Amino acid sequence: AQSVAQPEDQVNVAEGNPLTVKCTYSVSGNPYLFWYVQYPNRGLQFLLKYITGDNLVKGSYGFEAEFNKSQTSFHLKKPSALVSDSALYFCAVSDPYNFNKFYFGSGTKLNVKP
Amino acid sequence: DTEVTQTPKHLVMGMTNKKSLKCEQHMGHRAMYWYKQKAKKPPELMFVYSYEKLSINESVPSRFSPECPNSSLLNLHLHALQPEDSALYLCASSQLVSQSTGTGKYNEQFFGPGTRLTVL
Repeated sequence: AQSVAQPEDQVNVAEGNPLTVKCTYSVSGNPYLFWYVQYPNRGLQFLLKYITGDNLVKGSYGFEAEFNKSQTSFHLKKPSALVSDSALYFCAVSDPYNFNKFYFGSGTKLNVKP
Repeated sequence: DTEVTQTPKHLVMGMTNKKSLKCEQHMGHRAMYWYKQKAKKPPELMFVYSYEKLSINESVPSRFSPECPNSSLLNLHLHALQPEDSALYLCASSQLVSQSTGTGKYNEQFFGPGTRLTVL
């Protein structure tokens, strides 16, 4: 079975500091991995994805993620956090047997303090 | 147009009411989805439509009835709901990637803002 884990319910970081939101996955076959962000009472916004190729993926709003096959991880990173980055972040994996079916992690609440 | 729109934004209904949620996209996507999301939880997949045909039903109770009248529109008809059905209902769309020929390269899903449903 395919699954995604986000081990931290919440991450706190000071504005200007680097941030990392963790994600690990378990899939059979090649993983197609995604990060989404959700602001309060809003839908999910696509940030970035890993399909193949470069292990460092750059996305929207200065976010990037590093795919690590040996550690089965896809951590989201940003060099300098902004207060406006405070939101709920979801990691997702596409089912390799049905690309149109996603499995979402439990979500990580990012709090960036001024 | 890279937007998925949903109406209404908020809906309050009684357990005996019949109502519908609507979703629209004009990105030419041939896969459309309904998700249910409880507060601070991940979205739970309900239904997937591929080329206007229902391809996935995640064992959703029959009081939820999806409909895809054309490639741009997706409806969710609601009848005899329970208070525990109160949630944010999200619609999403994506390019449809063939399992036999595709690599999942273009299958990121684009989400609408959701309908906040309250069942009294």
